[in-house]
Amino acid sequence: RKEVEQDPGPFNVPEGATVAFNCTYSNSASQSFFWYRQDCRKEPKLLMSVYSSGNEDGRFTAQLNRASQYISLLIRDSKLSDSATYLCVVNQNTGFQKLVFGTGTRLLVSP
Amino acid sequence: SAVISQKPSRDICQRGTSLTIQCQVDSQVTMMFWYRQQPGQSLTLIATANQGSEATYESGFVIDKFPISRPNLTFSTLTVSNMSPEDSSIYLCSVEEVGGGEQYFGPGTRLTVT
Repeated sequence: RKEVEQDPGPFNVPEGATVAFNCTYSNSASQSFFWYRQDCRKEPKLLMSVYSSGNEDGRFTAQLNRASQYISLLIRDSKLSDSATYLCVVNQNTGFQKLVFGTGTRLLVSP
Repeated sequence: SAVISQKPSRDICQRGTSLTIQCQVDSQVTMMFWYRQQPGQSLTLIATANQGSEATYESGFVIDKFPISRPNLTFSTLTVSNMSPEDSSIYLCSVEEVGGGEQYFGPGTRLTVT
């Protein structure tokens, strides 16, 4: 089983749609969680950290379910500029910081 | 967040040669890391670059193949030694700023080995 699993997509949605991505992780000792966005041929950029209580940043909402080892990202009112690959990232915190990346979910927002 | 630069941005190298990639940060950071992203794949951690001591390598990566230097808190280098076509990849450095656990990435170095 992969340490971090994501549906690769692509998710094709029209502008204005709401889309949700899911991610599962295998290491129950993982301490912190993130969503990164990666545009084609660019470096990953931090989108948001994921907190136990869930958190929201504008159109983006992240949720964490530790019992099910599951993380989600919800994007409301999709924009064309949201088209990118979204990487689920888990910090295993095994004595030192180690980020484990999912393979990413590709989102395509069309007019 | 810190501003991170990498040199070179891309290179095409012949097999058997070595390439050194530089990572420069505009502020002092405790933690610096090196990652590899092979074509169509996600990021894999190569090693943690420790200031003043040997790097900590992940399983599958060894110092002889990927020597790393970290002479101070703003700079690190990764060398890809004795290259083969399988080393063609994007190499990225990242830094972790104090406290949060979030990492920020440099723009990457796109390496093609022929």
